[in-house]
Amino acid sequence: LAKTTQPISMDSYEGQEVNITCSHNNIATNDYITWYQQFPSQGPRFIIQGYKTKVTNEVASLFIPADRKSSTLSLPRVSLSDTAVYYCLVGDMINSGYSTLTFGKGTMLLVSP
Amino acid sequence: DTAVSQTPKYLVTQMGNDKSIKCEQNLGHDTMYWYKQDSKKFLKIMFSYNNKELIINETVPNRFSPKSPDKAHLNLHINSLELGDSAVYFCASSQSEQASEAFFGQGTRLTVV
Repeated sequence: LAKTTQPISMDSYEGQEVNITCSHNNIATNDYITWYQQFPSQGPRFIIQGYKTKVTNEVASLFIPADRKSSTLSLPRVSLSDTAVYYCLVGDMINSGYSTLTFGKGTMLLVSP
Repeated sequence: DTAVSQTPKYLVTQMGNDKSIKCEQNLGHDTMYWYKQDSKKFLKIMFSYNNKELIINETVPNRFSPKSPDKAHLNLHINSLELGDSAVYFCASSQSEQASEAFFGQGTRLTVV
């Protein structure tokens, strides 16, 4: 299983762009990269998923370099409500699916006024 | 309507008791999961159930048994509760095992005293 490494915590201010990088040096050919957000006392919520290059949705962008050994979740113009834990997951979504996805410790993002 | 709902939200019980946590999803998904989040915030998959097949995580003690009366429900029964079982348990569902997004419930905080 590909292992991921993320910063334990990050601080930001409202209105700034936040980039959270995840390292996954042992990513396999069939592995996809998925990001989740978790607020206190709530279950994780899907943000974005990608395989290579760039993926964008209404919430965030995901940048994946050609070697796929890392990925960067980009949150544009964060607000106080973006304070949460962000998890990077890597797994074989083609053959094994969610059964093999492992949530690490995640990155605690604190957004201040 | 809540997509994935769990009951109860809080559960306090004594060691040695048997308890159940119920989960229901109204999304029409084929796959459901149980996750455990411990005090260190690690979120680990316990079971996935694909309407045809139950996939058991070998690290889960056999005191834990999932039961699925139909594909919209996946309940978790725990026998002979131990102090170390104290955690937040999350139910989740996805359209299939290979779906990009899983939807999580609000969690059940289990405290064993």
